[in-house]
Amino acid sequence: SQQGEEDPQALSIQEGENATMNCSYKTSINNLQWYRQNSGRGLVHLILIRSNEREKHSGRLRVTLDTSKKSSSLLITASRAADTASYFCATDDEGGYNKLIFGAGTRLAVHP
Amino acid sequence: DAGVIQSPRHEVTEMGQEVTLRCKPISGHDYLFWYRQTMMRGLELLIYFNNNVPIDDSGMPEDRFSAKMPNASFSTLKIQPSEPRDSAVYFCASSAPDRPNTEAFFGQGTRLTVV
Repeated sequence: SQQGEEDPQALSIQEGENATMNCSYKTSINNLQWYRQNSGRGLVHLILIRSNEREKHSGRLRVTLDTSKKSSSLLITASRAADTASYFCATDDEGGYNKLIFGAGTRLAVHP
Repeated sequence: DAGVIQSPRHEVTEMGQEVTLRCKPISGHDYLFWYRQTMMRGLELLIYFNNNVPIDDSGMPEDRFSAKMPNASFSTLKIQPSEPRDSAVYFCASSAPDRPNTEAFFGQGTRLTVV
């Protein structure tokens, strides 16, 4: 069963705009990770935020984590056409013996 | 390192045939995961190994599916007999010993089509 649920399912924006994707999960976690998948390719790790962290930055990426609400958000600033991909959150379940469970993903389309 | 290597990249087989998917994890990684991705069900964790030992196979859909990891550098996922509903992209991923706070590295996947 899926642990994380992303919102929205699809997002379409223009280059230069910011893109925000949200993820909700159900159980206590060790960490939450965000991955990117280009069409027809494998997933690539973007950023990991630990359960005791609230915000993390990496380049144009900003991730927040609210463990009280069991939710996370991924913000991509100044988006580019090359950011077009699907984005997935994944949780490392605290009680799940290091299982990594993925959500359904958000499909992001960035138009030039 | 070449990353996680999966073979074949594409497989087309007839219903009832045996299918074997292969994975070579990144050297030194001691966790290996098998996922299945479909439009309907998303990314499902099928089974994962730690130090070559299966830890959780609760995601394996049926007895037709089996997975092995005979050594630290090789794993297989076998479907016997295959059915059209098994058509999906199957991913293998590996991660390093200091989990749970490390990332998983994915292979390029095997696109399986059962006709």
